[in-house]
Amino acid sequence: QQQVKQSPQSLIVQKGGISIINCAYENTAFDYFPWYQQFPGKGPALLIAIRPDVSEKKEGRFTISFNKSAKQFSLHIMDSQPGDSATYFCAATYYGNNRLAFGKGNQVVVIP
Amino acid sequence: DVKVTQSSRYLVKRTGEKVFLECVQDMDHENMFWYRQDPGLGLRLIYFSYDVKMKEKGDIPEGYSVSREKKERFSLILESASTNQTSMYLCASSYSLGNTGELFFGEGSRLTVL
Repeated sequence: QQQVKQSPQSLIVQKGGISIINCAYENTAFDYFPWYQQFPGKGPALLIAIRPDVSEKKEGRFTISFNKSAKQFSLHIMDSQPGDSATYFCAATYYGNNRLAFGKGNQVVVIP
Repeated sequence: DVKVTQSSRYLVKRTGEKVFLECVQDMDHENMFWYRQDPGLGLRLIYFSYDVKMKEKGDIPEGYSVSREKKERFSLILESASTNQTSMYLCASSYSLGNTGELFFGEGSRLTVL
């Protein structure tokens, strides 16, 4: 059973547009929600993360929105650039756990 | 910077061969992981280790084994490679995940089994 479900599977966005990727989770014990970014030929790298005590976290053009009651969180990429073209994975874990539950990933393509 | 190094970026092996994938990290991390990445299936955990000589099965351990004799090194072993093990293999390391959720990944080893 997949613990974190990610949608859509792929996304094409015009340069300057907003990319939105959604994730839903089941386990209410999760208390840490990171997003990873993976460029072709590279391993994933942590992009931004949020804890459920806040509803939003922003770092530059990247924002996580968190809805605890709906058990959903999303990544927004504002003013999307071609350099943002990558695969994005959402994930979840909880304190004391040594495993991350990953979504299946979303390929974002930003066209000039 | 944290560095996770996977010794082989590309490998081609024949069915039935024994395959070793090596991974070394330089940040004294307790935890090390092996994932495989396939299109449409995302990142699937094969095995992980939270200490030297300790290992735990992940979600898809069948057909794989691991070895962690030193803290910095974690090896993935395919005892008898099969074509359905053709994949991208990613090694990762971390401190306690529950605190930061940050995994540091290597660049991957692309294995083709003929």
